[in-house]
Amino acid sequence: SQTIHQWPATLVQPVGSPLSLECTVEGTSNPNLYWYRQAAGRGLQLLFYSVGIGQISSEVPQNLSASRPQDRQFILSSKKLLLSDSGFYLCAWSVQAGGYDTQYFGPGTRLTVL
Amino acid sequence: GNSVTQMEGPVTLSEEAFLTINCTYTATGYPSLFWYVQYPGEGLQLLLKATKADDKGSNKGFEATYRKETTSFHLEKGSVQVSDSAVYFCALYSGAGSYQLTFGKGTKLSVIP
Repeated sequence: SQTIHQWPATLVQPVGSPLSLECTVEGTSNPNLYWYRQAAGRGLQLLFYSVGIGQISSEVPQNLSASRPQDRQFILSSKKLLLSDSGFYLCAWSVQAGGYDTQYFGPGTRLTVL
Repeated sequence: GNSVTQMEGPVTLSEEAFLTINCTYTATGYPSLFWYVQYPGEGLQLLLKATKADDKGSNKGFEATYRKETTSFHLEKGSVQVSDSAVYFCALYSGAGSYQLTFGKGTKLSVIP
């Protein structure tokens, strides 16, 4: 069966510091990968998605970036965090075809920027 | 564009009560529809889905029917338990070159003994 991992689970960072959140998927090959942010009172917002190694699409312009160095690894980064980057970050995956509409989510990382 | 509207929460019910959480949508074409559940401090779990009109998704006693004529996908459960306390999200996937799930804002359910 497939599993998705995210770490760290919680993170407290000062404004202006860098960020690196990691997501890995097990039990499947060549998945589509997604980063979402869930901010208080604002629902879920898709930030980035990737259909393959090195292929990143951004949905919302911001000071965050994403990378996919390996097939089942997805990384969310920032060079300098803003207060507005606080939120709950969720990674998700889906198959490439025949059911790619269904996305499966990881446990999330709660980021607090002070 | 696509949108999902859920009933405002929070919803508080007594154990064994009947649950309905309303969800309506606006989308082009024929979207797939989903309900996700988020327990406190956790990620989202897929609860059920339906991919075409009149399909009924069901899981763990929850069910929802894809109603194209009313553009709705209401979530129901006949007898809720305390363990059902969570936030429920309705979502749609419209395809057409987009990989984005469009989510409602979520409905918080609290079930009291």
